[in-house]
Amino acid sequence: ETGVTQSPTHLIKTRGQQVTLRCSSQSGHNTVSWYQQALGQGPQFIFQYYREEENGRGNFPPRFSGLQFPNYSSELNVNALELDDSALYLCASSLDRSARGNEQFFGPGTRLTVL
Amino acid sequence: AQSVTQLGSHVSVSEGALVLLRCNYSSSVPPYLFWYVQYPNQGLQLLLKYTSAATLVKGINGFEAEFKKSETSFHLTKPSAHMSDAAEYFCAVSRMNRDDKIIFGKGTRLHILP
Repeated sequence: ETGVTQSPTHLIKTRGQQVTLRCSSQSGHNTVSWYQQALGQGPQFIFQYYREEENGRGNFPPRFSGLQFPNYSSELNVNALELDDSALYLCASSLDRSARGNEQFFGPGTRLTVL
Repeated sequence: AQSVTQLGSHVSVSEGALVLLRCNYSSSVPPYLFWYVQYPNQGLQLLLKYTSAATLVKGINGFEAEFKKSETSFHLTKPSAHMSDAAEYFCAVSRMNRDDKIIFGKGTRLHILP
């Protein structure tokens, strides 16, 4: 069974640029959530995708957008990058969106640095 | 609204001593509660979770946590610390019977002293 994978592992961008981060969910999982973890902070929920539809969004501006594909892999896109976007971006997949305390399995993250 | 408060951003214990990491939650509906561990340059790994069954939950690596509704707490304990327990620990809450978005605390870094 393959776990959650993310690419790239590290990325350096400049202000104003756009970035796409990718996530492959664990086999059999149809739900993907994205989190932003700033240095010294806990992960902050960005949004969740369930069967290719957005299923909830945190307090992030519209320049943070996402996609989920038929194979349940996912992308996080960030436009007009700002310095404060520098963070570790974590992807987590789960078996279903149903709220029975389903475990979310996290990938290793993508470290984004905005200069 | 839900929230999680972790008391102490850094905790140091001697190897072999008791580990106690504190977590208090706020939730308008019955919660699910989680403890995750994060090792340097890695993602988060689930240690244990409370899902309304037994209030004392046992997890991996000898950790356990007790759900106390009257105190709105879910503290994490381990009887005897090991050097390999040094990591960042996050308490998290989600809403029962809603969806599985998780709200995380700010984390507690556990240091193990030889």
